[in-house]
Amino acid sequence: GQQVMQIPQYQHVQEGEDFTTYCNSSTTLSNIQWYKQRPGGHPVFLIQLVKSGEVKKQKRLTFQFGEAKKNSSLHITATQTTDVGTYFCAGRHAGGTSYGKLTFGQGTILTVHP
Amino acid sequence: SQTIHQWPATLVQPVGSPLSLECTVEGTSNPNLYWYRQAAGRGLQLLFYSVGIGQISSEVPQNLSASRPQDRQFILSSKKLLLSDSGFYLCAWSDYPTVVGLYGYTFGSGTRLTVV
Repeated sequence: GQQVMQIPQYQHVQEGEDFTTYCNSSTTLSNIQWYKQRPGGHPVFLIQLVKSGEVKKQKRLTFQFGEAKKNSSLHITATQTTDVGTYFCAGRHAGGTSYGKLTFGQGTILTVHP
Repeated sequence: SQTIHQWPATLVQPVGSPLSLECTVEGTSNPNLYWYRQAAGRGLQLLFYSVGIGQISSEVPQNLSASRPQDRQFILSSKKLLLSDSGFYLCAWSDYPTVVGLYGYTFGSGTRLTVV
């Protein structure tokens, strides 16, 4: 079936270091979304990317959508302890009949050491 | 503004007992509704989704079922729980997507189910 692979599974960083998580799809995506789930909480929508090569920024977070619309990345500059959590990408595969249904990556668990 | 309510927050049920989890959305009409399960704090597994009243699509064959008796109400049920049904169950809604793109999901706070 259609899958979205996300790496790494875990990332431990020292506060102030940068962090990046990557998503790859075997098929072209219509769009990709990113979510953050704090420990013990529920996923919260961060952003959506739609256009090929699109780059969006939210303060220290930079989101990119690949030119072929098959991969995406989330980069956090100078991590803080408040960045701790699991980051998920989620994509909708182009041409699908399940209108609106997203496929989630497995998530990257980020821990930040103060 | 739109809100999503999910209850109960935690649940401990014996094997073989029935299950009913409820999710309601306020402040929107004709939402897409979803049930996800998250095991061991990791990936999100889509269980069911619904694009309208009485319209349910199942993603994973299992002993769970879903119903949508009203526009903004989504129920997850089981007649007999298994140990493997333990997990974190999340309800989510989104607006019906347009040609412009897909809207983000809004998740409920989830139900932590432990089957003993």
